[in-house]
Amino acid sequence: QLQLQQSGPGLVKPSETLSLTCTVSDGSISSSYYYWAWIRQPPGKGLEWIGNIYYTGATSYHTSLRSRVTISADTLKNQFFLRLSSVTAADTAVYFCARHFPGYTSSYFDYWGQGTLVTVSS
Amino acid sequence: SSELTQDPAVSVALGQTVRITCQGDSLRNFYASWYQQKPGQAPILVLYDKNKRPSGVPDRFSGSNSGDTASLTISGAQAEDEANYFCNSRDSSRGHLEEFGGGTKLTVL
Repeated sequence: QLQLQQSGPGLVKPSETLSLTCTVSDGSISSSYYYWAWIRQPPGKGLEWIGNIYYTGATSYHTSLRSRVTISADTLKNQFFLRLSSVTAADTAVYFCARHFPGYTSSYFDYWGQGTLVTVSS
Repeated sequence: SSELTQDPAVSVALGQTVRITCQGDSLRNFYASWYQQKPGQAPILVLYDKNKRPSGVPDRFSGSNSGDTASLTISGAQAEDEANYFCNSRDSSRGHLEEFGGGTKLTVL
């Protein structure tokens, strides 16, 4: 069964860069059917899609975060990464990685990482 | 703010049927997917495409669509169904691709 394991610091200082890693096991991020996504959830609030990456390196990002976010991948290590620059307290959230099926009539996120609470504070 | 609108909270008596709705223009052209999230846990996909359930999701969960509204129906709600439920759809009109509803907190009485 596919598993996504997240890693990265839980505390980031304001104006610095948030960096998280998602390691995929029992499956390949080079699959031609799936994208790999990052999603976040501020405390007590709903889910917000950040962006995703295809194994070719093609990326898509949420409009509001596009200027600060970079999603990349290492297919040899079966990992993908999130970098969010110039963070503020508003970026405090639980960050999830997920596998994304982007169909023509329906899309869905079928496997999720465990989540990482990232707090932005000095 | 989300362009997918959900009622913030819904309650249902144990064993009864409840419908959770998600409304948005993108749903006229795209099927919603639905996620169950319990406190402190990652979301779990419970419905996708027109009305498909991942392996392991009970058949009391079903979905439907009408115009700009998608619905998740739980027939015979169980105590373990108490959770937050989020819908998801694709919206290209505002420049980003994926969006989620604000979530519905389901209480099983």
